[in-house]
Amino acid sequence: SAVISQKPSRDICQRGTSLTIQCQVDSQVTMMFWYRQQPGQSLTLIATANQGSEATYESGFVIDKFPISRPNLTFSTLTVSNMSPEDSSIYLCSVRTGKGETQYFGPGTRLLVL
Amino acid sequence: AQTVTQSQPEMSVQEAETVTLSCTYDTSENNYYLFWYKQPPSRQMILVIRQEAYKQQNATENRFSVNFQKAAKSFSLKISDSQLGDTAMYFCAFRGNSGYALNFGKGTSLLVTP
Repeated sequence: SAVISQKPSRDICQRGTSLTIQCQVDSQVTMMFWYRQQPGQSLTLIATANQGSEATYESGFVIDKFPISRPNLTFSTLTVSNMSPEDSSIYLCSVRTGKGETQYFGPGTRLLVL
Repeated sequence: AQTVTQSQPEMSVQEAETVTLSCTYDTSENNYYLFWYKQPPSRQMILVIRQEAYKQQNATENRFSVNFQKAAKSFSLKISDSQLGDTAMYFCAFRGNSGYALNFGKGTSLLVTP
């Protein structure tokens, strides 16, 4: 398994500002994923981040809104830019590793935009 | 595109009883992976059990087991001897053999009562 930490664990932000979420993994992984979980909803994939290449965004998510960095094999950041109340969600970092390439999740970052 | 359907938004079970959560999926692939994840209230998403489609034997992890019916594209989770700590949202997820990330169902909220 992989141990994943995220910072911050929660934040309250004003609309129009940006927040950068950090994801740290205790082992080197090739593939990292960022998901969004809106209140009471399931998880939606934002993008896949591979080290050394541009992130791949899913339909409905764009780089200008959710820029991602992946400087090495244990770390990634997701920025939520120009926030609005609709961005209030839990943002989860995930990695795929280990036996059968199981996917593991970080504890999430709870974001409230006022 | 693969879709995952969980038809039971909410379920409840008494402590020590057995409960089965349903999941169906749609795919044209022959090889793929299926997962059940548990998300306790305000806590981290954790893997409960996983199943490789090429394995005919149903996966089992202690009190958790699956009934995998490949032809019917059904992947139900059985929780035996339910405990209060099993109270959580349960998500069924699919990953194709050629895909990278998980497709999640909408989740089933399980309440275990004394």
